[in-house]
Amino acid sequence: DSGVTQTPKHLITATGQRVTLRCSPRSGDLSVYWYQQSLDQGLQFLIQYYNGEERAKGNILERFSAQQFPDLHSELNLSSLELGDSALYFCASSVHGTAGQPQHFGDGTRLSIL
Amino acid sequence: GESVGLHLPTLSVQEGDNSIINCAYSNSASDYFIWYKQESGKGPQFIIDIRSNMDKRQGQRVTVLLNKTVKHLSLQIAATQPGDSAVYFCAETDNQGGKLIFGQGTELSVKP
Repeated sequence: DSGVTQTPKHLITATGQRVTLRCSPRSGDLSVYWYQQSLDQGLQFLIQYYNGEERAKGNILERFSAQQFPDLHSELNLSSLELGDSALYFCASSVHGTAGQPQHFGDGTRLSIL
Repeated sequence: GESVGLHLPTLSVQEGDNSIINCAYSNSASDYFIWYKQESGKGPQFIIDIRSNMDKRQGQRVTVLLNKTVKHLSLQIAATQPGDSAVYFCAETDNQGGKLIFGQGTELSVKP
């Protein structure tokens, strides 16, 4: 058990809808990362937060947004969903969000768009 | 259009043998590397890491080797067990921050 908790485990919804994925980092970790894992793209970095502030942005679509709350949990919001958004979404956390620190992953949310 | 899944390299080994999983990385500025294990239905699980000022690091039954000259990373698993069956990813990051860049993964299959 990595200590990173993600909910829900599965989400099934339709095109055009909006969903929210939730992540609680490991106790003591201040930084949260979101990654997308799809069959054709592998694991791709989306966005990073540190202590409530956005720190780095990767290949995140404008339809997607995220935030980190004062209690350090994070949410990833996906809107105007398309079939191609079907994927596994992982959250990871690390202590300070700087280079040279391992990231520990949750077990992901599997998003299926019908 | 139809999605095409990633064709993962596969390594099949006999239980008890040693396994070597290889990874080529692309960014010469990368200075921290991690190996992850991902089992079906689970998230990537941290195995071992290494910094660029080292060329070898050992853990329990695992060893990571780093060759910066040719930008190559390998994971050696000693006395491979059926529980080691999984997809293994290498990941790299540079000194600009913590985002990880993942390799495509290798599927390890252990035959009893």
